Amino acid sequence: RKEVEQDPGPFNVPEGATVAFNCTYSNSASQSFFWYRQDCRKEPKLLMSVYSSGNEDGRFTAQLNRASQYISLLIRDSKLSDSATYLCVVGRGGSQGNLIFGKGTKLSVKP
Amino acid sequence: EPEVTQTPSHQVTQMGQEVILRCVPISNHLYFYWYRQILGQKVEFLVSFYNNEISEKSEIFDDQFSVERPDGSNFTLKIRSTKLEDSAMYFCASSEAGQLMNTEAFFGQGTRLTVV
Repeated sequence: RKEVEQDPGPFNVPEGATVAFNCTYSNSASQSFFWYRQDCRKEPKLLMSVYSSGNEDGRFTAQLNRASQYISLLIRDSKLSDSATYLCVVGRGGSQGNLIFGKGTKLSVKP
Repeated sequence: EPEVTQTPSHQVTQMGQEVILRCVPISNHLYFYWYRQILGQKVEFLVSFYNNEISEKSEIFDDQFSVERPDGSNFTLKIRSTKLEDSAMYFCASSEAGQLMNTEAFFGQGTRLTVV
């Protein structure tokens, strides 16, 4: 099983659609979880941290299921500007600095 | 907004040459990192640095690589005897605290290294 595995994509959706991304991770000792977004040939930028209770930031909702080692991101009312690659990122258990990135899921929002 | 800055943005070097990639982390951050991303592949951890020493490194970070914080502001990655497969985007990052605290890591804009 890959350390962090994501839907391969790409996801092509119309403006206003709701889109969900899924991610699984293999290390049960991991304690930190994030969604980053990466625009083409740019650096990753934090979209949101993911907490056990689930958290919401505007149109974005993240969920974490530790028992299933599963993370999700829901984007509601998608905008053209949401087009990017979404990276599921997990902190390696017991590590202070080692982030494990998924390969990412590309999202294209069309007018 | 404070940011991590990297120089140069693009470096072309001949195989076998040494390169130094430079980074200025955010000033009050304590943890510094280098990651790389080969074109079309995922971002991979190379090394983390805390309290003036390496705290973790990956299998990729072998004797060819070294890091240094020479003057309290810069954080450098040296790659000796570059190989074609070292061609990648190299990202520097910094954070206030370690990842166990769910702390955001801020990434620089990257240095694209091309080995020819």
